[in-house]
Amino acid sequence: GDSVTQMEGPVTLSEEAFLTINCTYTATGYPSLFWYVQYPGEGLQLLLKATKADDKGSNKGFEATYRKETTSFHLEKGSVQVSDSAVYFCARPMEYGNKLVFGAGTILRVKS
Amino acid sequence: DGGITQSPKYLFRKEGQNVTLSCEQNLNHDAMYWYRQDPGQGLRLIYYSQIVNDFQKGDIAEGYSVSREKKESFPLTVTSAQKNPTAFYLCASTPDSYNEQFFGPGTRLTVL
Repeated sequence: GDSVTQMEGPVTLSEEAFLTINCTYTATGYPSLFWYVQYPGEGLQLLLKATKADDKGSNKGFEATYRKETTSFHLEKGSVQVSDSAVYFCARPMEYGNKLVFGAGTILRVKS
Repeated sequence: DGGITQSPKYLFRKEGQNVTLSCEQNLNHDAMYWYRQDPGQGLRLIYYSQIVNDFQKGDIAEGYSVSREKKESFPLTVTSAQKNPTAFYLCASTPDSYNEQFFGPGTRLTVL
């Protein structure tokens, strides 16, 4: 069925470290894929997206590449900042639309 | 400015009282959603509506009710039948259910 699996957190990094948050999905087709970010006490914001295989989404120094061979959409950033501390959600539409399927969310904590 | 508004940001109610959370969008989106988020947890879908005067139950609809009389508005009522209503409630909308959803800032409901 439709599912999204994210690595468990929390992930704790020092400022300027490299970040990877893993996301894999199940699908019979090629759904659009999304990364959302949620800062404390706020709603979710779309961070980046990719709509077809091999697409790379990027925003604010974050990147993720749609890899159909490994059904993955890992989020990366070369140098994290304290201000990147937030919860990150991977998501995809359900096979027949109507709703999004979200991963469980990964807490990122960046220390100065 | 186009967007989604939720009001109020913080809401306090006594146990046994019904309470209605507001969600308004001026994005001209057809589909709207309500999610519940508990501390440190992911998102759970309560109700969604793909068109005016129609809505469907999500994964945790018990103890909640909604209406969709106007395209712009999708209010959520938390009834006294909801056993643990204290949570963060998020509203979202999308023009196309195969693509990303846009989220409001959320309402934090505390039942005393």
